[in-house]
Amino acid sequence: GESVGLHLPTLSVQEGDNSIINCAYSNSASDYFIWYKQESGKGPQFIIDIRSNMDKRQGQRVTVLLNKTVKHLSLQIAATQPGDSAVYFCAEWADTDKLIFGTGTRLQVFP
Amino acid sequence: AAGVIQSPRHLIKEKRETATLKCYPIPRHDTVYWYQQGPGQDPQFLISFYEKMQSDKGSIPDRFSAQQFSDYHSELNMSSLELGDSALYFCASSYPASGVNTEAFFGQGTRLTVV
Repeated sequence: GESVGLHLPTLSVQEGDNSIINCAYSNSASDYFIWYKQESGKGPQFIIDIRSNMDKRQGQRVTVLLNKTVKHLSLQIAATQPGDSAVYFCAEWADTDKLIFGTGTRLQVFP
Repeated sequence: AAGVIQSPRHLIKEKRETATLKCYPIPRHDTVYWYQQGPGQDPQFLISFYEKMQSDKGSIPDRFSAQQFSDYHSELNMSSLELGDSALYFCASSYPASGVNTEAFFGQGTRLTVV
């Protein structure tokens, strides 16, 4: 069945370093992907998205890379800050009216 | 900018009681999604509505039902509550443009505790 998953459950980085969070998906028909950030007790917050006709998309301090050949997504956060500490989810729009979430990665930023 | 509004934010119910969760989407968004998130889990899709009609269904128990009203707000009705129903319930909304998926925006969630 469809599935979206992440390789690492927890990522610890030093403040100022770059962070890379990875995600694998299995549905080759998926054409739209979103990264969400979720802080404790809050709803998922949209960070950045990418469509399958793109390989890379950049936002403010964040970059998403899409490798359709190996069905892999990554989220890169530049100059990671303490406020970036949260759980990050990749999510996939299948060809149905639902957004499928992968297992989250907890990002911990230490001074 | 207006966001997705969910009410109540917190709800405590006893086993076998009934709960109703409400979701008010972003203005002009016609699609609503409900998700359930247990502690340390990823959000699990329950059900979605487009233009007041159910559009997709996930792992929603038969004890739960939902609908979208003429003003596009949605309600999730949960009956015969069980301890395992304790979770965060999120609603999200989007406005698919010409059948193209767009970003879904989430509310702050309702924390349901069943005791």
